Amino acid sequence: DAGVIQSPRHEVTEMGQEVTLRCKPISGHNSLFWYRQTMMRGLELLIYFNNNVPIDDSGMPEDRFSAKMPNASFSTLKIQPSEPRDSAVYFCASSQGGTSGSRGKETQYFGPGTRLLVL
Amino acid sequence: GDSVTQMEGPVTLSEEACLTINCTYTATGYPSLFWYVQYPGEGLQLLLKATKADDKGSNKGFEATYRKETTSFHLEKGSVQVSDSAVYFCALSDDRLSFGAGTTVTVRA
Repeated sequence: DAGVIQSPRHEVTEMGQEVTLRCKPISGHNSLFWYRQTMMRGLELLIYFNNNVPIDDSGMPEDRFSAKMPNASFSTLKIQPSEPRDSAVYFCASSQGGTSGSRGKETQYFGPGTRLLVL
Repeated sequence: GDSVTQMEGPVTLSEEACLTINCTYTATGYPSLFWYVQYPGEGLQLLLKATKADDKGSNKGFEATYRKETTSFHLEKGSVQVSDSAVYFCALSDDRLSFGAGTTVTVRA
């Protein structure tokens, strides 16, 4: 069982550049979550997909952030343009069996995270 | 809205000591409660969970009981090991998963 796969594991970029983070959820899971972790704010939910459809993007900080899930096995989180305050660890998580109205009840399985540093 | 408050760290213990991390919650519905653990450089892993009042979750020697009367879900382990050094997150789930701030635990040999 491969678990949730994220790439890259580390990303260093310069302010103003586009950053794309990638996630492959566990096969058979129908919910996918993007989180951001910082020392100051802890773990924040950015966006939640159910059956490839974005259900709740209220946590996305601003228009510079966008996320897509073109199919059940792949999702991207894009930041364009990136800023130093976007530096954080970004986690992807997936779960099985949820519906659009029960996003949190099921156990979520987290990937190893992408550590992003924007200079 | 729903929220979780957990004991601030860091916590430093000697091997074989008892560990308790307090967690209390505020919720309007009937949430499920979780403890996640994050080892250095890794993502979060589910440690244990409880889905209704009086349920006890347990795993790897850790236990937590869902106490509705005190709105608590304290994590306990009777004898910690160096390998238990990690950050522990209490989480609540009703509509969405809400995490506490995390408690850093360091166990010294």
